[in-house]
Amino acid sequence: QKEVEQNSGPLSVPEGAIASLNCTYSDRGSQSFFWYRQYSGKSPELIMSIYSNGDKEDGRFTAQLNKASQYVSLLIRDSQPSDSATYLCAVNGAAGNKLTFGGGTRVLVKP
Amino acid sequence: GAGVSQSPRYKVAKRGQDVALRCDPISGHVSLFWYQQALGQGPEFLTYFQNEAQLDKSGLPSDRFFAERPEGSVSTLKIQRTQQEDSAVYLCASSLAPGLAGGRDTQYFGPGTRLTVL
Repeated sequence: QKEVEQNSGPLSVPEGAIASLNCTYSDRGSQSFFWYRQYSGKSPELIMSIYSNGDKEDGRFTAQLNKASQYVSLLIRDSQPSDSATYLCAVNGAAGNKLTFGGGTRVLVKP
Repeated sequence: GAGVSQSPRYKVAKRGQDVALRCDPISGHVSLFWYQQALGQGPEFLTYFQNEAQLDKSGLPSDRFFAERPEGSVSTLKIQRTQQEDSAVYLCASSLAPGLAGGRDTQYFGPGTRLTVL
């Protein structure tokens, strides 16, 4: 079992719809959780971070964390074609000195 | 301000050659990380520096991989006797502070070096 798991997709959503991405992790000591967006051929770009149970909203993005279930999710509201990218879930463990990434979920937003 | 820079952006090596990849972190960033990203996969941790000290090298796949950051700024990842399985994008990231409790410090990634070993 991988330490951080994501559905590889592609997740196809129509423009204007909500895209829902999920991530599970195995290390119960994990304390910090991040969502990065990566366009093809580009480097990862941080879009959200979350540290406490519950929801965190930033513009069209909402991150949700449930430590008891070892689950973190990302919602993208009013999806735009420019949101088409791979979304990487990353977890920072108790040592705090490295990120463990999932394999990424590819999102395709169709006009 | 300037972000993380990496050079070269692309490198083609013949199997068995040695390569050196450079990372210039954001000025003042204490922590520096190297990751390896294979095609279609998420980045995988290689090694971590706090200033000039290499505190974690648990992700280096073999003793052919060596990293250094002698003055606590620029870092070099060296791969000796390259093999085809070394073909990947090598990403460098930096963050402002040393391992804060809970690791909340944001890591900023450079553009990566795409290494192709023939």
